[in-house]
Amino acid sequence: EDQVTQSPEALRLQEGESSSLNCSYTVSGLRGLFWYRQDPGKGPEFLFTLYSAGEEKEKERLKATLTKKESFLHITAPKPEDSATYLCAVHGGNTPLVFGKGTRLSVIA
Amino acid sequence: DAGITQSPRYKITETGRQVTLMCHQTWSHSYMFWYRQDLGHGLRLIYYSAAADITDKGEVPDGYVVSRSKTENFPLTLESATRSQTSVYFCASRPGTAYEQYFGPGTRLTVT
Repeated sequence: EDQVTQSPEALRLQEGESSSLNCSYTVSGLRGLFWYRQDPGKGPEFLFTLYSAGEEKEKERLKATLTKKESFLHITAPKPEDSATYLCAVHGGNTPLVFGKGTRLSVIA
Repeated sequence: DAGITQSPRYKITETGRQVTLMCHQTWSHSYMFWYRQDLGHGLRLIYYSAAADITDKGEVPDGYVVSRSKTENFPLTLESATRSQTSVYFCASRPGTAYEQYFGPGTRLTVT
């Protein structure tokens, strides 16, 4: 059974304080690992797809990396507008996306 | 460029009533999905569809019915609503050539 575990559940950062969010996964035949951002009252917004270990993707202050067992979402010099819940999901060989429960990020000015 | 829309955005209904949530996408994506999102559980897949007239169960299908007569529409029906179906429901779609899904704005459903 495909599983995704995200940590920490919640993270509070000062503006400019860089950190990382973790996504650990077990999956049969990884077809892709996905990061989403979700703002309160809205649907998840697609950020990145990673397909194989060693791959990295960047967008503004966010960088996603992938190993064979986990993915990290690095946030460099965050701003208050980066506050959101970040969701990780995997697509295995036999099932559609399986989501983690998310990390709720708060960036304080 | 509407993308993917859901209606209604908010719905209050009574236990035992039938309610249908609508989902429409303008991208001609072949795959469509329904999820529910609850505190402590995250996003859980209810049903999905690979094409018109093809549907399959997800993790939590009990109490729900779907149909897909047209590629762009994927309605979700609660045949006899229960309080445990109070949740936020998200529709999503993706093309057949990629795995990333794109989500609608959600429907907040309250069953009293």
